[in-house]
Amino acid sequence: EDKVVQSPLSLVVHEGDTVTLNCSYEVTNFRSLLWYKQEKKAPTFLFMLTSSGIEKKSGRLSSILDKKELSSILNITATQTGDSAIYLCAVEARRDDKIIFGKGTRLHILP
Amino acid sequence: DAGVIQSPRHEVTEMGQEVTLRCKPISGHNSLFWYRQTMMRGLELLIYFNNNVPIDDSGMPEDRFSAKMPNASFSTLKIQPSEPRDSAVYFCASSLGDRAKKLFFGSGTQLSVL
Repeated sequence: EDKVVQSPLSLVVHEGDTVTLNCSYEVTNFRSLLWYKQEKKAPTFLFMLTSSGIEKKSGRLSSILDKKELSSILNITATQTGDSAIYLCAVEARRDDKIIFGKGTRLHILP
Repeated sequence: DAGVIQSPRHEVTEMGQEVTLRCKPISGHNSLFWYRQTMMRGLELLIYFNNNVPIDDSGMPEDRFSAKMPNASFSTLKIQPSEPRDSAVYFCASSLGDRAKKLFFGSGTQLSVL
């Protein structure tokens, strides 16, 4: 059965800290891995990763995929209170175009 | 573009009642997904459509759940009869193309079944 596992499930840090969120997956015919940020309502897209070892960056956020280890990490440097959210990892299967989400990491940044 | 539009935003109903959730995907998108989110189980895929055709409904929990997509601009998710354990946020999402699906989510429907 295809699955996506995220860790930690929740994390509390102080503003200015750096955090690393983890995502591991088991999926038949992997196509891509996606990261989303969910604040109050709908998840919003952050990154899409398809190739191993190539880092994607957007401001203080960055992410990288390791297809050998079937995993990805999302880094946030110099965290701000506005980074508080649930971060969701999802994997797309090539075989049937299915997109499966992990349970998310609930990140809380203390001022 | 207005984005993915879901209605209603909130629904409170009594056990046994029929519930219909509605979704209008982004114009031009050809894939539509229904997800359910709870604290315990996270974001679960219920069913998805490609070009209005249901591709995989293995995530639909029971026969009480059904989904339709009569045309490219409208989809419904129906629960009949509803039960308290169906209480959750239901999201609709759409995407464009066959590759590398970047999902755009609606604001969700918060369903409470009493």
